[in-house]
Amino acid sequence: DTEVTQTPKHLVMGMTNKKSLKCEQHMGHRAMYWYKQKAKKPPELMFVYSYEKLSINESVPSRFSPECPNSSLLNLHLHALQPEDSALYLCASSQDPSDTQYFGPGTRLTVL
Amino acid sequence: DAKTTQPPSMDCAEGRAANLPCNHSTISGNEYVYWYRQIHSQGPQYIIHGLKNNETNEMASLIITEDRKSSTLILPHATLRDTAVYYCIVRATYNQGGKLIFGQGTELSVKP
Repeated sequence: DTEVTQTPKHLVMGMTNKKSLKCEQHMGHRAMYWYKQKAKKPPELMFVYSYEKLSINESVPSRFSPECPNSSLLNLHLHALQPEDSALYLCASSQDPSDTQYFGPGTRLTVL
Repeated sequence: DAKTTQPPSMDCAEGRAANLPCNHSTISGNEYVYWYRQIHSQGPQYIIHGLKNNETNEMASLIITEDRKSSTLILPHATLRDTAVYYCIVRATYNQGGKLIFGQGTELSVKP
């Protein structure tokens, strides 16, 4: 089983809203990732969690706040986003940071 | 991680083999070649990876040249469902803390 689930599938939010994206895996993976993908562009790494600790932050603005409550769950808290933050947000996981990454289906975010 | 160069687009007739090339002339000895694909608006799907030997799984074959400066992903009998963007990624698994850097990829269109 190489399934990573993400909720919601679609999200529309205003610039003053606070929302969260959720990612879950039950493969016993100890590394989890957030990527952002703009239309017609490749995915770009945002954050890496390794053994529930944030190990990489790719200079992401503070309006994006990741959280890893346990080894199976990864959240991305969103606050005061801009329309240019509209994108597909992808979660991935791997056994550890050196291993193959498996991606979820993504959350399509629209900021109005 | 080494950069990769792929053709932006390719066509393939249904039922024929699709051969997707990738150049990675600056690859280092500890860097793996990974292939992912992304069907429209879905999350990237892992296909295969290798270090120096050719690899085959149920999805595809990966042929790496002896000097490791290029590789070819082979889909032996392409179907319409193989239409996707294919990403070739070179990655030193023990460096960069798990970073996966996507290039622009090859948009493969399988035609009836």
